[in-house]
Amino acid sequence: SQKIEQNSEALNIQEGKTATLTCNYTNYSPAYLQWYRQDPGRGPVFLLLIRENEKEKRKERLKVTFDTTLKQSLFHITASQPADSATYLCALAGDSGYALNFGKGTSLLVTP
Amino acid sequence: GAVVSQHPSRVICKSGTSVKIECRSLDFQATTMFWYRQFPKKSLMLMATSNEGSKATYEQGVEKDKFLINHASLTLSTLTVTSAHPEDSSFYICSANMASGIASIEQFFGPGTRLTVL
Repeated sequence: SQKIEQNSEALNIQEGKTATLTCNYTNYSPAYLQWYRQDPGRGPVFLLLIRENEKEKRKERLKVTFDTTLKQSLFHITASQPADSATYLCALAGDSGYALNFGKGTSLLVTP
Repeated sequence: GAVVSQHPSRVICKSGTSVKIECRSLDFQATTMFWYRQFPKKSLMLMATSNEGSKATYEQGVEKDKFLINHASLTLSTLTVTSAHPEDSSFYICSANMASGIASIEQFFGPGTRLTVL
């Protein structure tokens, strides 16, 4: 069966450090992978999309890598700030089209 | 741009009643909308895919007679939870993607509706 695993349920880091979140998947052949941010009681907010032919993508302090051989994506937040504290979700499109399947998410806490 | 709204944001109802949740794309047309459900500390689970003018496609295990979906226009989809029970209490989130083009990959999510069934 298809699985999306985000290895850490929770990650605590100090302000200014780099946060690295992991997403592993099985039984998918994704053309692209997405990362979302979700705050408590809110819907997810799109952050980044990376395609299968892209190894790395950056947006401001965010960086995503995508290794289709390892079936893994890494999500980095550099110079982390307390405002980055949220749950980060990895998502892949299922077989039926654009509908997304999500990992359980990693709850990031950045402390001053 | 690309804002999706949901109404209501919170609803509390008695067991056995029906609840309707609206999902609107405010500044774009969405041929496809998706409904997700999220239980506490769990991930979003896709319930159904809703296409404008046609019947929704439900995921395995989701009762189509219990969760009625109507996508009457390119900017509105509704989810009705019929004969709600306490186990239906959850956070319901809709998303939409644009009608065509590269932007159709990106989904725009609504803020969610917290349903509590007493």
